[in-house]
Amino acid sequence: DAKTTQPPSMDCAEGRAANLPCNHSTISGNEYVYWYRQIHSQGPQYIIHGLKNNETNEMASLIITEDRKSSTLILPHATLRDTAVYYCIVSSSGYDKVIFGPGTSLSVIP
Amino acid sequence: EAEVAQSPRYKITEKSQAVAFWCDPISGHATLYWYRQILGQGPELLVQFQDESVVDDSQLPKDRFSAERLKGVDSTLKIQPAELGDSAMYLCASSFAARTDTQYFGPGTRLTVL
Repeated sequence: DAKTTQPPSMDCAEGRAANLPCNHSTISGNEYVYWYRQIHSQGPQYIIHGLKNNETNEMASLIITEDRKSSTLILPHATLRDTAVYYCIVSSSGYDKVIFGPGTSLSVIP
Repeated sequence: EAEVAQSPRYKITEKSQAVAFWCDPISGHATLYWYRQILGQGPELLVQFQDESVVDDSQLPKDRFSAERLKGVDSTLKIQPAELGDSAMYLCASSFAARTDTQYFGPGTRLTVL
């Protein structure tokens, strides 16, 4: 089973911020939080990752709670091209299996 | 920007036939992954290579699936014989090192078994 839980679907108005939550209550100290997204019929695309500090790049921001049991991916100004399935996974070094859950299907609405 | 290449993009075959998929990872990436993705689900890891060695194939149905990465560069995933339940997207990904590294995915091969 996946180590994360995400809502199955969300809607967001175009131009508004999309906030995608992820629970990872059993995360261990050496596990990173990764976010990927998959646009229909394409391979998943890396978005961002973090360990315990908040992270920002040109695509998104990642907010990780202080206890690291949950995180939020923020797309600051959602566009129609952000419509995709977003996956939150936790991964550590070594050979723990990387497990993708069903993700959150984000629909950006005009 | 370097990309993971996969071929073919689409494959239609009849059950009991053999199929093969090819993946060329990003140059310099030591780790290569094969995933299977059933419609509506997240990708499921089938096999992971570190250079030419298999480090995880616990979810690979070894009675019909095989994977190789002979020179530690490109890789082939084979199914023989194909079954109806094998219809899925087969994704290849690569990363510079181990699982903490970002994985870069190819476009996938869509397999339909009739």
